Amino acid sequence: GENVEQHPSTLSVQEGDSAVIKCTYSDSASNYFPWYKQELGKRPQLIIDIRSNVGEKKDQRIAVTLNKTAKHFSLHITETQPEDSAVYFCAATPRGFQKLVFGTGTRLLVSP
Amino acid sequence: GAVVSQHPSWVICKSGTSVKIECRSLDFQATTMFWYRQFPKQSLMLMATSNEGSKATYEQGVEKDKFLINHASLTLSTLTVTSAHPEDSSFYICSARQGNEQFFGPGTRLTVL
Repeated sequence: GENVEQHPSTLSVQEGDSAVIKCTYSDSASNYFPWYKQELGKRPQLIIDIRSNVGEKKDQRIAVTLNKTAKHFSLHITETQPEDSAVYFCAATPRGFQKLVFGTGTRLLVSP
Repeated sequence: GAVVSQHPSWVICKSGTSVKIECRSLDFQATTMFWYRQFPKQSLMLMATSNEGSKATYEQGVEKDKFLINHASLTLSTLTVTSAHPEDSSFYICSARQGNEQFFGPGTRLTVL
């Protein structure tokens, strides 16, 4: 089955810096890759997603890139702000399935 | 966006009792819902896929007789933790699928004494 690895587990940056979180997946048939932000004790919130027929997608300060050949995808946050501090999860949906397989999460801390 | 509610938001129960958690899609119909559990500082682990009108599909290692799932309507799925024990204490989160996206409920924190 699908396996998603995520790095780093923790990431500390200064306000205004960029942050990059990387994920790799094992199932080459996976075709949907969302990213979620989860604040302590709250529900995961979708922040951006990408489908396998697209290489890059951007939404204001957030971008996601996908390399299907290497089976990895990355989240890029520019001009980080303290309110970006949270745990970020990547996920993948194997083709033919409806479920999400989550990465292990990255705790992002943005210091003022 | 799509809204998913969950009830209760937290519950404390004695060991050996059963607890029911409800997951509702408020503004859309969901033929498929999902149940996850999340331990502190860990990722979301899928427990089962709940399909309206049919049996749930459980992930490997999840006891179907302990975690009963019922998806009787297009807007409601329930998870019953039967004979709960302290090791079942966790954060349980449901999600409802709309297209490719999943929308999550706010979660239920279960504490078993």
